[in-house]
Formats: sequence, C-alpha cells, structure tokens
Amino acid sequence: GAVVSQHPSWVICKSGTSVKIECRSLDFQATTMFWYRQFPKQSLMLMATSNEGSKATYEQGVEKDKFLINHASLTLSTLTVTSAHPEDSSFYICSARRSIYPQELAFFGQGTRLTVV
Amino acid sequence: DAKTTQPNSMESNEEEPVHLPCNHSTISGTDYIHWYRQLPSQGPEYVIHGLTSNVNNRMASLAIAEDRKSSTLILHRATLRDAAVYYCILVYSGGGADGLTFGKGTHLIIQP
Repeated sequence: GAVVSQHPSWVICKSGTSVKIECRSLDFQATTMFWYRQFPKQSLMLMATSNEGSKATYEQGVEKDKFLINHASLTLSTLTVTSAHPEDSSFYICSARRSIYPQELAFFGQGTRLTVV
Repeated sequence: DAKTTQPNSMESNEEEPVHLPCNHSTISGTDYIHWYRQLPSQGPEYVIHGLTSNVNNRMASLAIAEDRKSSTLILHRATLRDAAVYYCILVYSGGGADGLTFGKGTHLIIQP
C-alpha cells in the first residue's frame, strides 16, 4: 500500500529554537497534504492543509507565522515550528491522499513527537 | 464532516469478536463512512470504508445500517495488537480535498 513517511520520529529542542518536520509521500504524488496535532489523551486536530505550489490553509486558531508550511514538490511537505515553546510540545502527524474523491483513504505518517524544553 | 458518536471505550477478550458501534444520524446520502485506528504512539492507519453496502477486507468488516445512520466495525478475532483507538469518520463528497475530522474515538482494550 501507499506509504507516507515522516521525519524525524521524535525531536527535543530548546525553547526559542525552530524545528522542521518532513512529510513525504513515497509512492504517489500528493497535491494536498494535511498536518495534525495531537496532545496527550486527546484526538487529532487538523492544523493546516498544505497545497503544492501555493499557500497553506490554516484552521482557525492556528498561527500561520508560527507553524510554517512549505509544499515545494508533489511528494514533500514540511512543517516548521518557529520559536518553539513548551506549550508547542505535542505529537505532530501528517497525512496525504491519492485523490480528492471521498472514497479515497488517507495515509498517515508515523508522527513526530516534539518536546520543547 | 458530519458528526459521529462512539463509545469512549470498550473491552474485549483476545480471540473473540469485537463489535465497535458508530452513530452518524446526520449522515448525508453521499457521505462515505471511514474507519481508522491509532495504535499507541503511532499515526492513524486505515481500517475500512464503505458507502451503503457491507464491506469486508483482511482487517475487518463494516456493517452499515440500512438507513445509514449507524455502522459497526467488526473485528472477527481480536488480538492484543488490535488494542488501539478506533475512529469512525464521515467523508462527504464535496470535501474530499479536506482534512479528516477526528472525534474522540473508541479506546479498545483487549484482555489476554
């Protein structure tokens, strides 16, 4: 089956620094990728939709200047958490689908555990 | 995406069938019913999906009520590796390019 790969699996950074997370679709082209955030014992919350070649679309309440998304190619989207603070510590997950049809299933990366100290 | 309602948690014994219910009374005619599961510290993975007819795959079966207002994910013989949070999600035909809306899901506990 199709695979979405996310890197790194975990990262620890100091408060005030920036962290980049990569999401790759390994065997299909994804014009759209999605970024989710999950706090402990909570469900996934959609943060933003990453569109290849255009600006990302952010959900209400998500700071676009803090969570920079770049979707430079059909197989790669990156999420950069800028000036990270402890409250940004979370599990970040990306997702992609082969097409926009509603019957198309979604593939998820393995997630990135971010800890800001 | 339309709202779904699932029990917070369920418990089952290993090697027994598990029936995970999902209510989606506001489903529209073209909404697809998707099920995903999330194992601890991993991203979600696809389980099964359907529109009107019951569906079977190697992982599970999906039974959809005739009025489509509810569905049931069936794990025929649960193993310890099936312990996960199971999410029932509706994907509407006009929102295929949208991200999925995850509810709280059902935390499935498997007892050995």
